[in-house]
Amino acid sequence: TQLLEQSPQFLSIQEGENLTVYCNSSSVFSSLQWYRQEPGEGPVLLVTVVTGGEVKKLKRLTFQFGDARKDSSLHITAAQPGDTGLYLCAGDNDYKLSFGAGTTVTVRA
Amino acid sequence: KAGVTQTPRYLIKTRGQQVTLSCSPISGHRSVSWYQQTPGQGLQFLFEYFSETQRNKGNFPGRFSGRQFSNSRSEMNVSTLELGDSALYLCASSPASRTSVTQYFGPGTRLLVL
Repeated sequence: TQLLEQSPQFLSIQEGENLTVYCNSSSVFSSLQWYRQEPGEGPVLLVTVVTGGEVKKLKRLTFQFGDARKDSSLHITAAQPGDTGLYLCAGDNDYKLSFGAGTTVTVRA
Repeated sequence: KAGVTQTPRYLIKTRGQQVTLSCSPISGHRSVSWYQQTPGQGLQFLFEYFSETQRNKGNFPGRFSGRQFSNSRSEMNVSTLELGDSALYLCASSPASRTSVTQYFGPGTRLLVL
């Protein structure tokens, strides 16, 4: 059983569309991180959110940490083929990261 | 700054053998964590080392072990390999500040057990 539940599991959209990925848990985390992973490579850190209610924007990506620090969302505006990959959320509890199963995003040109 | 490096990148072993994987963290990072990634189980935490001491451990059998050296480099060992040990093994380093843990991953070692 995953400590963090991600939804949806798969997402396929057309270039230019928007998408949102969700990460939910019944546990409280000190911080939450989002990673993107491409096949055969390690996850690459996108953002770390620490404060409940925090919203971070990185170009077309918007990350939100829930007020209770149990859930998070990643929203991509005007998706591009380069956004294709496996998106992973990870919660930090006592220097140990627990990962969600991931959301596979495919952006079609 | 150079990123996290892992060697070797690919490895093929047979059942019953043992294997040692190596990880060099980002300069200045003192925490090194290891993860196993498989299609069925996703990313599973193996263990974390900080200043040569194992600080956290996941739910893996004792066949999985690790160590960290004084220069923060880390090795992971798997003895008596089983087919189910085939996976991508990822190492991540962290400055391990008190406010949050931000981990930087290496490219991984792809292990295939035949």
